[in-house]
Amino acid sequence: ETGVTQTPRHLVMGMTNKKSLKCEQHLGHNAMYWYKQSAKKPLELMFVYNFKEQTENNSVPSRFSPECPNSSHLFLHLHTLQPEDSALYLCASSLIGLAGGTQETQYFGPGTRLLVL
Amino acid sequence: QKEVEQNSGPLSVPEGAIASLNCTYSDRGSQSFFWYRQYSGKSPELIMFIYSNGDKEDGRFTAQLNKASQYVSLLIRDSQPSDSATYLCAVTVTSGTYKYIFGTGTRLKVLA
Repeated sequence: ETGVTQTPRHLVMGMTNKKSLKCEQHLGHNAMYWYKQSAKKPLELMFVYNFKEQTENNSVPSRFSPECPNSSHLFLHLHTLQPEDSALYLCASSLIGLAGGTQETQYFGPGTRLLVL
Repeated sequence: QKEVEQNSGPLSVPEGAIASLNCTYSDRGSQSFFWYRQYSGKSPELIMFIYSNGDKEDGRFTAQLNKASQYVSLLIRDSQPSDSATYLCAVTVTSGTYKYIFGTGTRLKVLA
């Protein structure tokens, strides 16, 4: 499945580093999402962008900063992370009807496995 | 009460048996229901979605929805070892802004 791509696939960073995760969708979708998945924990929704506007921020620490320049690209900027931020970061996209009432399947990218030392 | 609840498992079934995965949700305004499969170390992928009460069949998979009981299930017939994965239930709700909520997932082990 190449509809949603994520880079890098693996990332190791120190607590003082700054890095960015990139997500790109080729499905013509208008909504994009960042999820965090820690070991043995459920998917945690972090951010939602609908038509490039951020519509949801689930109390995510400011050391995570999203950016959505257009409906096909989504970034997650990381700085001064903590070891507990080590996880699989998943990007997803979906198509939301203009009336806001149609939610279709979310398609996930392969994820970025992040290790913070 | 969690918004979407699943038994974390593991649910172990012998090869060829029917695996039954269950999910309950708390919001009666929930509209769409999805089952995803996630292999270890991989990202979730859609198995089925269902919007209306009743059964929906796709190959070896059947999704069952009962909105009155706020219950959705996934049946896997003729289970194969390759079905061993974590199965995530997801529910969407539109109230103001929409929400897409995942359950914690049920780990299924199909024993050869």
